Amino acid sequence: EAQVTQNPRYLITVTGKKLTVTCSQNMNHEYMSWYRQDPGLGLRQIYYSMNVEVTDKGDVPEGYKVSRKEKRNFPLILESPSPNQTSLYFCASSLRPTFGVLHFGNGTRLTVT
Amino acid sequence: DQQVKQNSPSLSVQEGRISILNCDYTNSMFDYFLWYKKYPAEGPTFLISISSIKDKNEDGRFTVFLNKSAKHLSLHIVPSQPGDSAVYFCAATTPPQGGSEKLVFGKGTKLTVNP
Repeated sequence: EAQVTQNPRYLITVTGKKLTVTCSQNMNHEYMSWYRQDPGLGLRQIYYSMNVEVTDKGDVPEGYKVSRKEKRNFPLILESPSPNQTSLYFCASSLRPTFGVLHFGNGTRLTVT
Repeated sequence: DQQVKQNSPSLSVQEGRISILNCDYTNSMFDYFLWYKKYPAEGPTFLISISSIKDKNEDGRFTVFLNKSAKHLSLHIVPSQPGDSAVYFCAATTPPQGGSEKLVFGKGTKLTVNP
């Protein structure tokens, strides 16, 4: 089954404790992206990747890192999480972002206390 | 600068009636528009799209209309069903620039279809 898999689904952590949210897709998509969804703000792009070893900042990249060492994986790294990073995070992939259907994972709800 | 605007945070309609969700954009370079639907506890899923060379695209109960001069698009759902209750996101994209591509989302409209 074609899918985007994020882990974990729920995560509660404390300020400053490094964490990684994993994302994997099995569709051989070149494009992958991370979004956060906050009430009243919709979906905002954090980082995206056009292909292996090619990443770029989205609209809200501060406090996040990503890597794209393999085509299927695109982990989101929070080196020193803060409470304002409490949010619902979505990973997505597509053959290309334009003319392309973005396939989303089911989300990771992160709480930073 | 919010380039894609969904000015109605919520919309409530009766089952069987038409639902009209609206979206306005400011960037005249946008050339492709998409609608995504999101249920609670799930990721958004693609619903329907339209290219800027068209003014209408239809898929079953869902029709998207594009008015380029007004920089406005709308999603019509006819007839509305309770299972359509979800958050709907409008999104837009520009042609690739410098090898980079960008998809911009609106803030979403929560549709509730009452039985």
